[in-house]
Amino acid sequence: AQSVSQHNHHVILSEAASLELGCNYSYGGTVNLFWYVQYPGQHLQLLLKYFSGDPLVKGIKGFEAEFIKSKFSFNLRKPSVQWSDTAEYFCAVNAWAGNNRKLIWGLGTSLAVNP
Amino acid sequence: NAGVTQTPKFQVLKTGQSMTLQCAQDMNHNSMYWYRQDPGMGLRLIYYSASEGTTDKGEVPNGYNVSRLNKREFSLRLESAAPSQTSVYFCASNLAGQLYGYTFGSGTRLTVV
Repeated sequence: AQSVSQHNHHVILSEAASLELGCNYSYGGTVNLFWYVQYPGQHLQLLLKYFSGDPLVKGIKGFEAEFIKSKFSFNLRKPSVQWSDTAEYFCAVNAWAGNNRKLIWGLGTSLAVNP
Repeated sequence: NAGVTQTPKFQVLKTGQSMTLQCAQDMNHNSMYWYRQDPGMGLRLIYYSASEGTTDKGEVPNGYNVSRLNKREFSLRLESAAPSQTSVYFCASNLAGQLYGYTFGSGTRLTVV
């Protein structure tokens, strides 16, 4: 069955540190990939998405992600985090499941940035 | 502001009570979804509606019903609430199936005692 793995469940960083959150999926066909962010007490917002073309995708607030097809990965990166990046981050993959396309979610990574 | 509006934001129910969570979007999106979010379990799809007039079960449909009232509105009903349904519920919508990113509502925090 298709699945999405986010390796880091909890990450704690200091401001200005670099961030990389891992996301791997298990599906061999064509996929669309997403990263969402959920700030404390708020709803999920789309950070960035990959459909096709340049595998390096830039999103809002200085985030980027790289699709590496050979590694089935779509890791999220930011060169220098801020306290306001404290949030939960979800990776999601759109793939075929049986006869339907299905959005499959990772369990999320909680990021805490210390000032 | 354009987006997805959910009501209520908070609700406490007694076991066995019923309630309906309302969701409306004004972005002319075709597809709408109901998710529940629980600690350590991520987002789980309850029901979805790919287009007006259709609804389908997601991963965890038991104990819930839905109605796609029109293109804008998609409600979720708990007929007999159970403590296991204590959760945060999110409604979401997007343009066409699951190809595009979702716009989420602000959520309903439901506690069943």
